[in-house]
Amino acid sequence: TQLLEQSPQFLSIQEGENLTVYCNSSSVFSSLQWYRQEPGEGPVLLVTVVTGGEVKKLKRLTFQFGDARKDSSLHITAAQPGDTGLYLCAGTRDDKIIFGKGTRLHILP
Amino acid sequence: NAGVMQNPRHLVRRRGQEARLRCSPMKGHSHVYWYRQLPEEGLKFMVYLQKENIIDESGMPKERFSAEFPKEGPSILRIQQVVRGDSAAYFCASSPRIPGQGFPEQYFGPGTRLTVT
Repeated sequence: TQLLEQSPQFLSIQEGENLTVYCNSSSVFSSLQWYRQEPGEGPVLLVTVVTGGEVKKLKRLTFQFGDARKDSSLHITAAQPGDTGLYLCAGTRDDKIIFGKGTRLHILP
Repeated sequence: NAGVMQNPRHLVRRRGQEARLRCSPMKGHSHVYWYRQLPEEGLKFMVYLQKENIIDESGMPKERFSAEFPKEGPSILRIQQVVRGDSAAYFCASSPRIPGQGFPEQYFGPGTRLTVT
């Protein structure tokens, strides 16, 4: 059973479009992180969200933590080819960190 | 500040040989995690260590796999008698704090890509 479900698994869109990817669970997490991983490299931390309903912005990326702290979304505005990569969410619960399988994003120039 | 270091970056072993993967955490970090990633898959937790202590090894296969984080030196993930199914990318991450206390963000190394022939 996958505790953190990420959707979609794959997304290919044109440069300049907007997109949203999701990270969902039936469990409550005390915090949630988003990472981006490029081919041949390790994941790089983008953001940590802690409070239910919290919204954080990182340039064109907007991260939201659900009110119940069970889910999160990542919205990218005006996607660019440099946004291409694997986006992973990870939740913290009971002293464990659990990763989703990721959304593989491909931005076409 | 140097990031998390892993070596080797690529490792090729024949079936039955041993693989030793090394990880040096970021300066000041005393918590180390090992993950395995198969192609097109997310990260699968293997083991969580502090200096000289294994805290959680619930993700480690029961046989052939072991991990240590000595008082001095890097953390080592050791795979004995490798099989083709062990081929994967192995990532190490370090954190300045434990899960449940503050924000347990993890900083990942570049990974070791193990190929078993």
